[in-house]
Amino acid sequence: DTAVSQTPKYLVTQMGNDKSIKCEQNLGHDTMYWYKQDSKKFLKIMFSYNNKELIINETVPNRFSPKSPDKAHLNLHINSLELGDSAVYFCASSTLPAETQYFGPGTRLLVL
Amino acid sequence: SQQGEEDPQALSIQEGENATMNCSYKTSINNLQWYRQNSGRGLVHLILIRSNEREKHSGRLRVTLDTSKKSSSLLITASRAADTASYFCATPPNQGAQKLVFGQGTRLTINP
Repeated sequence: DTAVSQTPKYLVTQMGNDKSIKCEQNLGHDTMYWYKQDSKKFLKIMFSYNNKELIINETVPNRFSPKSPDKAHLNLHINSLELGDSAVYFCASSTLPAETQYFGPGTRLLVL
Repeated sequence: SQQGEEDPQALSIQEGENATMNCSYKTSINNLQWYRQNSGRGLVHLILIRSNEREKHSGRLRVTLDTSKKSSSLLITASRAADTASYFCATPPNQGAQKLVFGQGTRLTINP
């Protein structure tokens, strides 16, 4: 069984569109994260939720809006996509913040 | 600037040799973690070492932590082609932080 899953795996879209990425974890963890990995492999945290409550909101454009309907799910909605949003987006989860994290397979977003 | 910085940025060795990667960080931490990322995949947790530990082993992996020098090393013994991947260290940016900051990684290539 997949521990942390993300959909879709690939997303190719035009500039200006709105898109969503979904994440689910079946590990029973309380904390979930969204990371962005750029073309140079630099991995940067975007958001973190603990028990459905937002605890980390890094300097991210407000076009990005996370939503956690329950502890097992953390979705990411992106409005008005820009070329610079092209990257790989990873979801992760952990029992506690800053402890061992379990990553999803990533969503490769390409904005044309 | 980054909390954790890996060195070297890239390492290429022959199968069977040992590989050593280093990570330096700037602030006091309560744990340091190493992750592996195979090409096109998510990150996989390898080892977590706490600030009161000096060395930790897991199979062919050995991690050391020197809090006085604010550095850690990851040693992979008897390398295999399957060890080809990028290796990242991650630390909380300060004690009590609820997130991890990842370095830019060491790209390890094992040549058959």
